[in-house]
Amino acid sequence: GESVGLHLPTLSVQEGDNSIINCAYSNSASDYFIWYKQESGKGPQFIIDIRSNMDKRQGQRVTVLLNKTVKHLSLQIAATQPGDSAVYFCAVFSNSGYSTLTFGKGTMLLVSP
Amino acid sequence: DGGITQSPKYLFRKEGQNVTLSCEQNLNHDAMYWYRQDPGQGLRLIYYSQIVNDFQKGDIAEGYSVSREKKESFPLTVTSAQKNPTAFYLCASSSARRDTQYFGPGTRLTVL
Repeated sequence: GESVGLHLPTLSVQEGDNSIINCAYSNSASDYFIWYKQESGKGPQFIIDIRSNMDKRQGQRVTVLLNKTVKHLSLQIAATQPGDSAVYFCAVFSNSGYSTLTFGKGTMLLVSP
Repeated sequence: DGGITQSPKYLFRKEGQNVTLSCEQNLNHDAMYWYRQDPGQGLRLIYYSQIVNDFQKGDIAEGYSVSREKKESFPLTVTSAQKNPTAFYLCASSSARRDTQYFGPGTRLTVL
């Protein structure tokens, strides 16, 4: 099976700082990775994804890095804003069986002005 | 305006009652999913459906039932057999089984 863990349950940053949220996965057959943002009381919102044939992918103010050797991915948020305060989840597809998404427990990002 | 809708937003249930949570999508997605979220936990898969009239159990299907009679609708029934139903329930859909899943706003169920 697959297990997904995040390194820190809470990350506190100052507005304008860069934030890095980490995620580790266990299954070397994992081949598709998604980051979601969840604000309090709302459903998760897609941020960015990356497939295993890539090491890095950039979006607007966000970058995802994938290190398949150590089974680790990270989400970098540039110039963090108060509106970025939320819980961030990584989710992982493994290339086996039906391949449902496995979610990590989430890191809460707190941005202070 | 495309998306996924869930209703109601809040639901209160007395012990011993069955309740049904609604999920509708107009994204023309084939696959739909139900997840349960508890405080401090990741999302756990209850049921999923790849196509109309077909659905599969996820990791925690006991005490739940679903139907998929229409492509756009995937209702979840929480039965009295579910011993601890108080949770935040999330519906999602994807165009195919290994594509990005998009989520609805959720239904918070509380057992009184």
